[in-house]
Order: sequence, then C-alpha cells, then structure tokens
Amino acid sequence: SQLAEENLWALSVHEGESVTVNCSYKTSITALQWYRQKSGEGPAQLILIRSNEREKRNGRLRATLDTSSQSSSLSITATRCEDTAVYFCAANYGNEKITFGAGTKLTIKP
Amino acid sequence: NSKVIQTPRYLVKGQGQKAKMRCIPEKGHPVVFWYQQNKNNEFKFLINFQNQEVLQQIDMTEKRFSAECPSNSPCSLEIQSSEAGDSALYLCASSPSGGNYAEQFFGPGTRLTVL
Repeated sequence: SQLAEENLWALSVHEGESVTVNCSYKTSITALQWYRQKSGEGPAQLILIRSNEREKRNGRLRATLDTSSQSSSLSITATRCEDTAVYFCAANYGNEKITFGAGTKLTIKP
Repeated sequence: NSKVIQTPRYLVKGQGQKAKMRCIPEKGHPVVFWYQQNKNNEFKFLINFQNQEVLQQIDMTEKRFSAECPSNSPCSLEIQSSEAGDSALYLCASSPSGGNYAEQFFGPGTRLTVL
C-alpha cells in the first residue's frame, strides 16, 4: 500500500542545536514534500523535492532524497523555539493525491 | 501564509446529526482537497475537486459524506449522520494546479467533536 512514514514519533533538542527528521516511503514517487504543522494551524509546506533531485534547501532547512533506499530527511540548523511543531513528510505517487506520514513531534527547548 | 478560510473552527454534534463545514480556497486555486486528521495526527484523504468536478474520492466519502465546490460559493463537506468515529480535524487545502508537484495550501481546519 502507499505509505509515507517518519521514523521517530518525537524529538527534542535545545534551541540553537541542529536536528534531523527522517522519513521512509514505499514504491516509487514523483516527489516528496515536507510540511510543518504548528498547534492550532493547518500544515504548511516547507520543501518539495522531486524524484530526480537529491537535495533542496530553504533557509535553515535542508531536505535530502535517496530513491535507492526510499528515504528522505529534513534537517533544521540553528533551531528556534518557533520551530516547535509536528513535521510530516508527504509522498506524491503520481496520482494527484499526496500521502502523509504520521508525523514527528519536534520540541525545541529554551 | 495560506489564505484558505475554513468555517466553523469548532463544531460539536450529537450522534446521528448532520455536520457541515465550509472552505473558501485561495483565490485562483482551482483544485481543492479535503482531509480528515485524527487525534494521532494521521491524515486520511477524503475527496478532491478541480473547479466543480470531483477528481477522486474514497468509499467513505461516497456513503455518509457529501462534498461540493459550486462556482462562486464556498466548498463544503457534510456528514449526513455523524458518528463518534468522525471526531477529527477536517482540513481543506487548495492548490494552484493539479499534477505531481503542486503545493497544497491548508486552512486551519474545522475540529469536529461528535458526542
């Protein structure tokens, strides 16, 4: 079945540290997206990385894609308290829909 | 920042009651999605539209759920006879285009509680 899943349910780091969230997916994809959802808000897209790309950056964020291991990672450098959120990967399997993972809850401690 | 508007933000219904929620997509976005997000943060795709036409929907949507996106009116998702298991956050997202690479812009959601 189509699936995208983050590898850890929760992570916690101190402000200023770097953190990486990992994700794995099944079967081939056309693209992999990373979303962030803060409490009381809908998800917001952070990065979209296409299947023929290996890395994408957006400010303090860096996403990688490894199609051979069917995995992706999202790294955040110099974390801030406002980065506290649930981070989702979402896979595009080529049928208009995207399939979300269950999310990794990231807490940035002061 | 997303400009997708969802109303109401909170909805409380008794079992068997109708529950209706609305979504105004971002201006110029012809594609609209509805998702159900449960308390474990898991997403379930329900239905999507391009303009007023249904593109895809799951079986659940066909039975107790109905949705429409009429022209010049908000999109809506209605549960005909609410069940306790329908308690969730209902998210509407719009996209400027279909296809494999289109970003989805989400509203804040309608949190439905079925007592």
